[in-house]
Amino acid sequence: DTGVSQDPRHKITKRGQNVTFRCDPISEHNRLYWYRQTLGQGPEFLTYFQNEAQLEKSRLLSDRFSAERPKGSFSTLEIQRTEQGDSAMYLCASSLNGRDTQYFGPGTRLTVL
Amino acid sequence: GDSVTQMEGPVTLSEEAFLTINCTYTATGYPSLFWYVQYPGEGLQLLLKATKADDKGSNKGFEATYRKETTSFHLEKGSVQVSDSAVYFCAPRGGATNKLIFGTGTLLAVQP
Repeated sequence: DTGVSQDPRHKITKRGQNVTFRCDPISEHNRLYWYRQTLGQGPEFLTYFQNEAQLEKSRLLSDRFSAERPKGSFSTLEIQRTEQGDSAMYLCASSLNGRDTQYFGPGTRLTVL
Repeated sequence: GDSVTQMEGPVTLSEEAFLTINCTYTATGYPSLFWYVQYPGEGLQLLLKATKADDKGSNKGFEATYRKETTSFHLEKGSVQVSDSAVYFCAPRGGATNKLIFGTGTLLAVQP
């Protein structure tokens, strides 16, 4: 399967801990997006990369959040000092370029206790 | 800013009934329009898309037409099946980032 993959699929952590999620996009896709989906809502844009450059961050992305895509391939999303309000599904999507269809991974479900 | 309004769910239908899920949007310019579907326990999947006015996207019996004059992209299917039970998301895409703007989703439950 050569779709978008995300790891881990589920993460349970205690408030105040740091967590890191990984996303592997479809090979050769230049664009990589992160979204967050809370229960009963649609996904909301967090940030995106064009190759290794992070070009926009949503106001939803507080200083506790950081994302990287060091070699323009996989990406990581780190949340420091997690809060209960961070509990959500974190979705990654990739596209060949800006105008191409975005393909989503299965998501990482984060639960902060 | 850009936004999308979707028909609230849940929508409960009997098998073989006609389906319409309304979607209207506000956006600068002429965004591409998408419907994504999320089956229980699965990730978001592209259902169909339209990239310019009057285009009709179609897939698996679902259709939606890009109506620029009413800024709408309503999803329709002539005869739903139990396997169509899922959450459906309307999403325009545009701006410099080409990010997707999702609605709240509409839960469709099809009963046999």
